[in-house]
Amino acid sequence: QVQLVESGGGVVQPGRSLRLSCAASGFSLSRNDIHWVRQAPGKGLEWVAVLWYDGTEKYNADLVQGRFTLSRDDSKNTLDLQMNSLRAEDTAVYYCARPGDSWGQGTLVTVSS
Amino acid sequence: EIVMTQSPATLSVSPGERATLSCRASQSISSTLAWYQQKPGQAPRLLIFGASTRATGIPARFSGSGSGTEFTLAISSLQSEDFAVYYCQQYNNWPLTFGGGTKVEIK
Repeated sequence: QVQLVESGGGVVQPGRSLRLSCAASGFSLSRNDIHWVRQAPGKGLEWVAVLWYDGTEKYNADLVQGRFTLSRDDSKNTLDLQMNSLRAEDTAVYYCARPGDSWGQGTLVTVSS
Repeated sequence: EIVMTQSPATLSVSPGERATLSCRASQSISSTLAWYQQKPGQAPRLLIFGASTRATGIPARFSGSGSGTEFTLAISSLQSEDFAVYYCQQYNNWPLTFGGGTKVEIK
C-alpha cells in the first residue's frame, strides 16, 4: 500500500531550526518525485519544494529564501526537509506528496515565542 | 510567479445541482492545470490533471475544461461527499502555484 507519513513537527521559537521527515512505504522515493506543500491555519495551499527521483531539487525561492534544504536517505526511504531561521509566517501544516496519488496526513509546525 | 485566481470564493449549491468553479491564470499555462479537493482535516486529493483528465478513481461527475488562462471545474450533480474546498494549481512555471480555493457549501 502506497503511503507517506510526515513527522517532526512541533512548536519552535522564531529563528530556530526544525527538521521534518517524510517516510514512504509501498514505493521507492528514489524512483519518484516528491513535493512538500504547506498550508497555514485556515489558509490555502502553498508549494514549498520538490526533490526529483534523480536528486535534483527545486525550491519556492521567495518562500524559502535559502533557509530550507531537502535531503533523501534511500536506505531508509525517507525525505527530510531541514528548515532553518524559522519565522512566524512558516507556521503551517506541512505535507509531503506524490501529487498524483499519495499525500501524507501532514505535520504541524508552529513558530512562536 | 503565475498568479492563480479562483472564483467564486464560496459557492452555495443544493445536493443534486450542478456546480461550476472557475480558475484564471495570470498568463498562459497551456493545459498544465490540476484541480484538488480538500475536506476539513484531510490532505488534498487530486481530481483533474492536464486541465481535463480525471485522476484514477475520480467519478465521472467531475469534469475539467479550458486552456491558456481560463479553466473550469464542473461537478454535474453534487453529492454530499462533494462539499469541500477546491483548489486549482498550475505546473507550467516555477514556482508551482495554487489558487486561493473555492469552498462549495450546502445551500
